[in-house]
Amino acid sequence: SYELTQPPSVSVSPGQTAKISCSGDKLGDKYVCWYQQKPGQSPVLVIHQDIKRPSGIPERFSGSNSGDTATLTISGTQAMDEADYYCQAWDSSTAVFGGGTKLTVL
Amino acid sequence: QVQLVQSGAEVKKPGASVKVSCKASGYTITRYFMHWVRQAPGQGLEWMGIINPNGGSTTYAQKFQGRVTMTRDTSTSTLYMELSSLRFEDTAVYYCARKGFGELSEGIDYWGQGTLVTVSS
Repeated sequence: SYELTQPPSVSVSPGQTAKISCSGDKLGDKYVCWYQQKPGQSPVLVIHQDIKRPSGIPERFSGSNSGDTATLTISGTQAMDEADYYCQAWDSSTAVFGGGTKLTVL
Repeated sequence: QVQLVQSGAEVKKPGASVKVSCKASGYTITRYFMHWVRQAPGQGLEWMGIINPNGGSTTYAQKFQGRVTMTRDTSTSTLYMELSSLRFEDTAVYYCARKGFGELSEGIDYWGQGTLVTVSS
């Protein structure tokens, strides 16, 4: 079965740029979505089709996807961005989630 | 506005079944597929399957084949996920989550609030 691999944790200082990776075989041939989940809340879609932001998502969130790796970039990271982030893609009509990355803003 | 309201928390014994409901409002349910996703305590998101409410066709994750059944009642705009032969490791929050449409179709645009299912003897 298809697997997506994320680093368990990423740390960033306020105002700096955070990058969260998601790797999978030929992932660049698929569309990747990213979700943000804060404690006790349901996930929220922050990036779809690799690079697009849904309405209401701040411009500091951006995405890329090439080769075997997709990346979520948060520019000018704020304390409110501290959360778990999950990548997601489709493979053979099934959805696959990465294991999640805990972003710490300190 | 789109809302997905799920049924309340459940406590079940090993070997039992649980049926979680998800009442949709603010849109026509037959126009959007619905995912079911679960999250064990302190763990990541796990995709269980998807249902097309227009006709009821389903695709289940291989891990849950034979144990999960996803159905819908279009007259009440309610979707259901039933998981049988429960094990301790099925303890998790279960989410219904709407598959997007058009350029959002690769993702999930709305999530329910989650239903905690606890399997305990």
